[in-house]
Amino acid sequence: QVQLVESGGGVVQPGRSLRLSCEASGFTFSSFGMHWVRQTPGKGLEWVAAISYDGSEKYYADSVEGRFTISRDNSKNTLYLQLNSLRTADTAVYHCAKRLLEWSHALDPWGQGTLVAVSS
Amino acid sequence: SYVLTQPPSVSVAPGQTARITCGGNNIGSKSVNWYQQKPGQAPVLVVYDDSDRPSGIPERFSGSNSGNTATLTISRVEAGDEADYYCHVWDSGSDHWVFGGGTTLTVL
Repeated sequence: QVQLVESGGGVVQPGRSLRLSCEASGFTFSSFGMHWVRQTPGKGLEWVAAISYDGSEKYYADSVEGRFTISRDNSKNTLYLQLNSLRTADTAVYHCAKRLLEWSHALDPWGQGTLVAVSS
Repeated sequence: SYVLTQPPSVSVAPGQTARITCGGNNIGSKSVNWYQQKPGQAPVLVVYDDSDRPSGIPERFSGSNSGNTATLTISRVEAGDEADYYCHVWDSGSDHWVFGGGTTLTVL
């Protein structure tokens, strides 16, 4: 059974940093691209970042480019998102998601998410 | 950047057909995915690559995509289908992934 479990969220002041983790199980982690998607409470989904199966390619939304860094450790079956220079607008639930198939950009499954609250 | 436009809400009676649209410039040239999200839960993929269904998703869920509009169709709607639905594409021009704003399906 494919499972994704996020951790690392919390309350943080503006300008500070946080690192999120996503532990994967039930599939060959090193074979699939992975994504981070966030959702502001009560609002819609926003794509944040993506990484290729081997970590060689990384992509970022304009809103986080230069502040967030996506990475992975295939030996630990874990995906990461380093959040720097946090802003109140970054407050959201952050989900990790697995690319469904090598040739499809669909995301399945998703983790339950971890809440990041940026507040002074 | 590429923009996907969804109606904020759609209402339908049980047993009827719900159609949720997703508009985008020449979206017919892209592969569209659809997700269902119920309150307090993570999104679930219900249709991918315009019209394919993941295993475990009922045949009542189907998708189509042409021109500037993609459509998620839910036949014989049930109370349990009440949820938010999001469309999603990869924009090759920017190497960015994009979500629509979401549509709340209400079963009357």
